[in-house]
Amino acid sequence: SQKIEQNSEALNIQEGKTATLTCNYTNYSPAYLQWYRQDPGRGPVFLLLIRENEKEKRKERLKVTFDTTLKQSLFHITASQPADSATYLCALMNRDDKIIFGKGTRLHILP
Amino acid sequence: SAVISQKPSRDICQRGTSLTIQCQVDSQVTMMFWYRQQPGQSLTLIATANQGSEATYESGFVIDKFPISRPNLTFSTLTVSNMSPEDSSIYLCSVEDLVVQGTASTYEQYFGPGTRLTVT
Repeated sequence: SQKIEQNSEALNIQEGKTATLTCNYTNYSPAYLQWYRQDPGRGPVFLLLIRENEKEKRKERLKVTFDTTLKQSLFHITASQPADSATYLCALMNRDDKIIFGKGTRLHILP
Repeated sequence: SAVISQKPSRDICQRGTSLTIQCQVDSQVTMMFWYRQQPGQSLTLIATANQGSEATYESGFVIDKFPISRPNLTFSTLTVSNMSPEDSSIYLCSVEDLVVQGTASTYEQYFGPGTRLTVT
């Protein structure tokens, strides 16, 4: 069956450290993968997109990797800050042009 | 990027009644979508709102329960009909924007703030 799994429901990271979130998928062949941030009571906000032929993408303190062999994407926030606390959603664009979302990982950056 | 507003932001409704949610975009967009996000769950696509024709519904969602209108390229409504407590959820409007970067293009998706619906 097709699945998207994001690591643990909640992740606690000390301020200043790097937070790493995982997104694994099975039985999909995504053309690209996206990461979103969602704050409580708000809609998701687009952060980064990485295509199947890209290994890594960076934007300021954010870095995304995409390994189509492992069927995994990693999302890193370096020098994390309490303001980075939010839920982060992984979403993949399948070849039928449908976007499928993971359940998200709640990230808490501890001061 | 597109700016999306939704009305109402939240509502508490009695079972058996219907609620219409409005979505307004600040620019013309081709693709508009309606999602549902139940507590602790991922976003689930309800339907694609097509301008000038009937919406395209995903498996498990039907027009009688979730009628959708799309009168133009900047506006859409979703109605949740004959509500039951199981319909309590956040409903989100979303649009797709084509982003061209050099010779490559991809679609970025933008979401409205959501409508939090509680059915009692």
